Amino acid sequence: NAGVMQNPRHLVRRRGQEARLRCSPMKGHSHVYWYRQLPEEGLKFMVYLQKENIIDESGMPKERFSAEFPKEGPSILRIQQVVRGDSAAYFCASSPRQDNSPLHFGNGTRLTVT
Amino acid sequence: ILNVEQSPQSLHVQEGDSTNFTCSFPSSNFYALHWYRWETAKSPEALFVMTLNGDEKKKGRISATLNTKEGYSYLYIKGSQPEDSATYLCAPGGGGNKLTFGTGTQLKVEL
Repeated sequence: NAGVMQNPRHLVRRRGQEARLRCSPMKGHSHVYWYRQLPEEGLKFMVYLQKENIIDESGMPKERFSAEFPKEGPSILRIQQVVRGDSAAYFCASSPRQDNSPLHFGNGTRLTVT
Repeated sequence: ILNVEQSPQSLHVQEGDSTNFTCSFPSSNFYALHWYRWETAKSPEALFVMTLNGDEKKKGRISATLNTKEGYSYLYIKGSQPEDSATYLCAPGGGGNKLTFGTGTQLKVEL
């Protein structure tokens, strides 16, 4: 019973390149959340998606960042024209329902911008 | 933005000791309080989701209490073992599981 799968585990990009982070939720989970952990900080909410819909993107920077969760395939967090400040660990979590069910986290993608 | 505080920031205990940590959060507009355990090089793992004032939950040697009126939750570990070494995160949640995480209490259990 596979958990939340994120890939790649590590991603290195030069300034100005694009970063694409993938997340496959647990089987049966249709709610996906992206969190970011900047160095020396806690997990910060970025965006909440359900299949084909963005429900809440209040934690996501307005510029350069976008997220999607298509009908088929994984959720994608896309960062265009990366800058050094985007270097962080990005975690995806999923849940089966919108209510107070616990989140199941992936192992994260560590993005390094050089 | 919710202000979530966890204390202590870090804790070293001996094997067999019992310990507890605190999570403080705004008491207004309370929805739910999550606790997670995060071991190094792994992903956060859910321990408890608590919603009712006075709630007490238990999982093995770990238990938690919740006071929504005054805005705090305690996590207790009885008879700490080295495998309990981890960072313990609390997160009050708004509707839709949008969680605001504290910075955690880092526990190290020594032999």
